[in-house]
Amino acid sequence: NAGVTQTPKFQVLKTGQSMTLQCAQDMNHEYMSWYRQDPGMGLRLIHYSVGAGITDQGEVPNGYNVSRSTTEDFPLRLLSAAPSQTSVYFCASSRTGPTSVHEQYFGPGTRLTVT
Amino acid sequence: GENVEQHPSTLSVQEGDSAVIKCTYSDSASNYFPWYKQELGKRPQLIIDIRSNVGEKKDQRIAVTLNKTAKHFSLHITETQPEDSAVYFCAGGSQGNLIFGKGTKLSVKP
Repeated sequence: NAGVTQTPKFQVLKTGQSMTLQCAQDMNHEYMSWYRQDPGMGLRLIHYSVGAGITDQGEVPNGYNVSRSTTEDFPLRLLSAAPSQTSVYFCASSRTGPTSVHEQYFGPGTRLTVT
Repeated sequence: GENVEQHPSTLSVQEGDSAVIKCTYSDSASNYFPWYKQELGKRPQLIIDIRSNVGEKKDQRIAVTLNKTAKHFSLHITETQPEDSAVYFCAGGSQGNLIFGKGTKLSVKP
């Protein structure tokens, strides 16, 4: 199994540009989520999904959209990039949710810089 | 909503000493408390977790304790080694969402 994969690893955007961060898992996990990690701020939940076709907002959803058309994929879209969205983005998945008995696995991260 | 506070933000110990990291949470409904270790440039990885119906859990050199009444939980690492150097995050939550603390940078000096 590849586990949780993310592309790209690095990305530089200009203010106002849009892009999609890709996340995929091959473990047939129902629960997937996106976090952003900023220095000194820990990990903050952006959006999550408890299954295909179902998404919900986390702590910091503004400026981001998600969709979950398949169990495997959970892309994160930045609609109009802003410098405040410069961060490292982690995708994560688990079988039934991060507070269940099943471990949450993180992807390798995408480092995004918005100039 | 849930709020998780983590202390200290940095911790330096000598190899072989013990390290303790403490977290408090605000939502009495939270029932799951994992700890993650993140090495520089790497992804977070689960090292131990505890549920609200358990007071203590051990796994070799690491242990976690939970005090539900006081709403705090702690990570204990004994006989620290240089490879324990990393950032450690606590988290708490229920109903499918986890809120993370801001992290503790642990440095173990040989």
